[in-house]
Amino acid sequence: QKEVEQDPGPLSVPEGAIVSLNCTYSNSAFQYFMWYRQYSRKGPELLMYTYSSGNKEDGRFTAQVDKSSKYISLFIRDSQPSDSATYLCAMSITGANSKLTFGKGITLSVRP
Amino acid sequence: EAQVTQNPRYLITVTGKKLTVTCSQNMNHEYMSWYRQDPGLGLRQIYYSMNVEVTDKGDVPEGYKVSRKEKRNFPLILESPSPNQTSLYFCASRNLGGQGNTIYFGEGSWLTVV
Repeated sequence: QKEVEQDPGPLSVPEGAIVSLNCTYSNSAFQYFMWYRQYSRKGPELLMYTYSSGNKEDGRFTAQVDKSSKYISLFIRDSQPSDSATYLCAMSITGANSKLTFGKGITLSVRP
Repeated sequence: EAQVTQNPRYLITVTGKKLTVTCSQNMNHEYMSWYRQDPGLGLRQIYYSMNVEVTDKGDVPEGYKVSRKEKRNFPLILESPSPNQTSLYFCASRNLGGQGNTIYFGEGSWLTVV
């Protein structure tokens, strides 16, 4: 079993839809959870960052962590064509020195 | 502006011809790393460095070398490139200490080995 699993997609939704992106993981030691957004031909950029369980909201984006189920989600409300990108989940054990383990990424397309 | 700069952005080379991809960051970050990104395999770490003169292997180090002689620079060296090293490469950096998980990526270097 891979440490981090992410639905490979791709995913296509109409503008305005609510999007749910998910990752599961097997290592219960993961404490830090991140979502990165990667536009075509660009490097990934940090979108959301969460420590331990719970929800975090930033504008139209909500990150959710359920450590008991080893499951993290990213919700995008009122999706826009500009949200079309590849989304990668990432997680690490400790903050300072530990390696980031990435999911493979899911490509989202928001149709106007 | 905080930046991780990689060069070249695009390169086609032949099997066996040594090449170096440079990486430079302007944020005084201790930690730097190299990833390759391949379809269906996601981002995989090649090498990382916790500070000057401190480097270690990531998940897929075979066929690559790195050096960290200065804090801001972390070049990736392919001594004898092979076609299976055709990939999209990213350099990244971040602070150590605190939570320090905001990792900054460069724009990527598309490498084709024929």
